[in-house]
Amino acid sequence: NAGVMQNPRHLVRRRGQEARLRCSPMKGHSHVYWYRQLPEEGLKFMVYLQKENIIDESGMPKERFSAEFPKEGPSILRIQQVVRGDSAAYFCASSPPGGVRENTEAFFGQGTRLTVV
Amino acid sequence: AQKITQTQPGMFVQEKEAVTLDCTYDTSDPSYGLFWYKQPSSGEMIFLIYQGSYDQQNATEGRYSLNFQKARKSANLVISASQLGDSAMYFCAMREKAGTALIFGKGTTLSVSS
Repeated sequence: NAGVMQNPRHLVRRRGQEARLRCSPMKGHSHVYWYRQLPEEGLKFMVYLQKENIIDESGMPKERFSAEFPKEGPSILRIQQVVRGDSAAYFCASSPPGGVRENTEAFFGQGTRLTVV
Repeated sequence: AQKITQTQPGMFVQEKEAVTLDCTYDTSDPSYGLFWYKQPSSGEMIFLIYQGSYDQQNATEGRYSLNFQKARKSANLVISASQLGDSAMYFCAMREKAGTALIFGKGTTLSVSS
């Protein structure tokens, strides 16, 4: 899972600023899932993307959050006008073309820890 | 209703002992996958073991085994011969359908003492 690269590892933002989190999937992977982990909680699904397409965004908050996965470059999770409640660890996981099956292991990045002050 | 339930917030075990971490799940899909992940204090998510709903035998990976009881909808993780490095948070997760995201439990913190 070292192949999924997330940056930055740690990000501090003041309330009202924007946060941009990046995820580069494993080589050859074209699907990305974003998850959020609040303190003392498990990971919760946010959004599922393939290149240039959002497949499922049912876990995304309706406002301030957006995600993209362009044809070239990393997937970006963008949080506008951050609030203290956005402080969490954000993980992405990638999967190969064709997406995942029930038995497909999720390869996680090391996460970005966002702190809003 | 919770899809994945881990009822043990914290577990304590001595080195070299075995420990069982509980996980129950809820799904009506006949085909699903069950996963365990380890999250050490450094924060990364480390895949440990997988069990498919149609697998006849319990999964094993080194010191990790999965006690799969389909009728009871439980998928407990057994760690044999605990080591200090096993101290971490452990998450049970399920994927119900192809293409869907993993659903995680709230985790169990395992502390191994010498």
